[in-house]
Amino acid sequence: NAGVTQTPKFRILKIGQSMTLQCTQDMNHNYMYWYRQDPGMGLKLIYYSVGAGITDKGEVPNGYNVSRSTTEDFPLRLELAAPSQTSVYFCASRTGTSVRQTQYFGPGTRLLVL
Amino acid sequence: DQQVKQNSPSLSVQEGRISILNCDYTYSMFDYFLWYKKYPAEGPTFLISISSIKDKNEDGRFTVFLNKSAKHLSLHIVPSQPGDSAVYFCAASAMNRDDKIIFGKGTRLHILP
Repeated sequence: NAGVTQTPKFRILKIGQSMTLQCTQDMNHNYMYWYRQDPGMGLKLIYYSVGAGITDKGEVPNGYNVSRSTTEDFPLRLELAAPSQTSVYFCASRTGTSVRQTQYFGPGTRLLVL
Repeated sequence: DQQVKQNSPSLSVQEGRISILNCDYTYSMFDYFLWYKKYPAEGPTFLISISSIKDKNEDGRFTVFLNKSAKHLSLHIVPSQPGDSAVYFCAASAMNRDDKIIFGKGTRLHILP
């Protein structure tokens, strides 16, 4: 099992550009999450999904979009990149809804918007 | 106000000694607490957790203590090893939102040789 994989590892974007951060998990988990971590800060939830076709906003959804067409994939879309979106983005998944079930994180995507 | 606070950004401990990482929370409805460990260029990994019905949970070298009245928890690592050098995140979940985790800012632990 590869677990949770994310691509790319690092990307530099110009202001106004768009990109998609990819996330794939091979554990057949229903629940998937996107977090961002700003320097010196904790992880903030951007969007989450409870299964294919179902997504919902987290704490900081503005400027992002998601889709979930399959159980395995949960891409995060930035439409008009802004410097405030410079961050490290982590995708995560777990079997069920409860935090008592272990949440597995990907290695992260470091994004720099200039 | 659902906050999880880790007031020490960093901590240095001699190898073999005890490392104590502290965490405070403000929301009385938090009833499940987790610690995650993160190495550079990797995602966080789950370390240990504790339910509010307990005041202690132990897993090998790692023990988490919970003081509900003080809204405080701590992670003890004994003995500290070089591989323990990492960022440690405290996180909490509330009984009415069991799907959502609130993370602290993290504490960077340096184990000195």
